[in-house]
Amino acid sequence: DQQVKQNSPSLSVQEGRISILNCDYTNSMFDYFLWYKKYPAEGPTFLISISSIKDKNEDGRFTVFLNKSAKHLSLHIVPSQPGDSAVYFCAAQIRQNFVFGPGTRLSVLP
Amino acid sequence: EPEVTQTPSHQVTQMGQEVILRCVPISNHLYFYWYRQILGQKVEFLVSFYNNEISEKSEIFDDQFSVERPDGSNFTLKIRSTKLEVSAMYFCASKKTGGAAGYEQYFGPGTRLTVT
Repeated sequence: DQQVKQNSPSLSVQEGRISILNCDYTNSMFDYFLWYKKYPAEGPTFLISISSIKDKNEDGRFTVFLNKSAKHLSLHIVPSQPGDSAVYFCAAQIRQNFVFGPGTRLSVLP
Repeated sequence: EPEVTQTPSHQVTQMGQEVILRCVPISNHLYFYWYRQILGQKVEFLVSFYNNEISEKSEIFDDQFSVERPDGSNFTLKIRSTKLEVSAMYFCASKKTGGAAGYEQYFGPGTRLTVT
């Protein structure tokens, strides 16, 4: 089952630069898309979401872009900070069913 | 700040035994969820629960699993006759409403279940 894909298992970025995390999905019926951050030994923490009828949502340093025709979304973090180092999960929602991607480990280097 | 709590943090059980994982969601939340993450793999949705009944469940959530909100505050996941392959980190989450925008899921810290 590969409904939500995050093809980059890891990403390294210099502090202050932009981090771009990508996510692809296959099911056009998803209503919402969400990004979560996860530190070791903790539960996922919600970052930002976007409705399937929007193409952009911004919240502080975090912006999510949705390209519905390409079934692709991305999370931009700018400027990146060392505290952003974590695993980032893309998730897609239909009704009350959530499908997570495998995650991308982001390392922000000082 | 209100948070979702889970007990125990680590549960070790023998194959074939029943386990109950407990969660206390945030008090004014209405939607409750269980997820699991097998070591090194992705977070997998198990079940969602609203108004005292299951609203969605995944293929993983078979007859071995059940959920309950026994007393209006706890939300439990029961796993009957545990098998080795259910060893995982189990996360509980709760959400205020059914929509996604602005009403995110809050996750607990997880219970690590080890079946020996």
